[in-house]
Amino acid sequence: AAGVIQSPRHLIKEKRETATLKCYPIPRHDTVYWYQQGPGQDPQFLISFYEKMQSDKGSIPDRFSAQQFSDYHSELNMSSLELGDSALYFCASSPTGEAGNTEAFFGQGTRLTVV
Amino acid sequence: GIQVEQSPPDLILQEGANSTLRCNFSDSVNNLQWFHQNPWGQLINLFYIPSGTKQNGRLSATTVATERYSLLYISSSQTTDSGVYFCAVERVGNFNKFYFGSGTKLNVKP
Repeated sequence: AAGVIQSPRHLIKEKRETATLKCYPIPRHDTVYWYQQGPGQDPQFLISFYEKMQSDKGSIPDRFSAQQFSDYHSELNMSSLELGDSALYFCASSPTGEAGNTEAFFGQGTRLTVV
Repeated sequence: GIQVEQSPPDLILQEGANSTLRCNFSDSVNNLQWFHQNPWGQLINLFYIPSGTKQNGRLSATTVATERYSLLYISSSQTTDSGVYFCAVERVGNFNKFYFGSGTKLNVKP
């Protein structure tokens, strides 16, 4: 079965550089989520999209932006990278059920290291 | 937001032992999932269980939505069960945003 695809899997950037993370949701899933997980922490919600429109926003720095494209893939753009941005970034997708969203599936994550 | 509390935070088991992990949440939810994060960081779906009971092999889960808690049972634990177990919920009326608990770190020793 198709899963959520994230690229790249690993990324090393220097401080003040820019990074772009990509996410390809499971086909026919209309909701995409982005999460950030620091070392030893639980995943923290960044932003979500429903049918290509921003749906909800968490503690996402102003240096970060995201969008969902017409083919439903999503990109997380991160500028002026800081050492503290080093983390595992997850994308997830879910279909929408009658009572709201149903089961969400996570990609394998992008491990970003800022040096 | 919604508070999600997991217990215990850490658990060490001998291979073959059974365990129960708990997830308490502070508000009504329309979605609750259990995940296993393996040592490589991958989040693996265990159960989608906003209410009721489900079983999958050695694992089972029960959510009592009216009392705002969920339990994950692991029987006959194996070393491959090691990792962090997360509970994540979506609050009623607040779709498209999962709140994660802080996880239970499980170490199964041979």
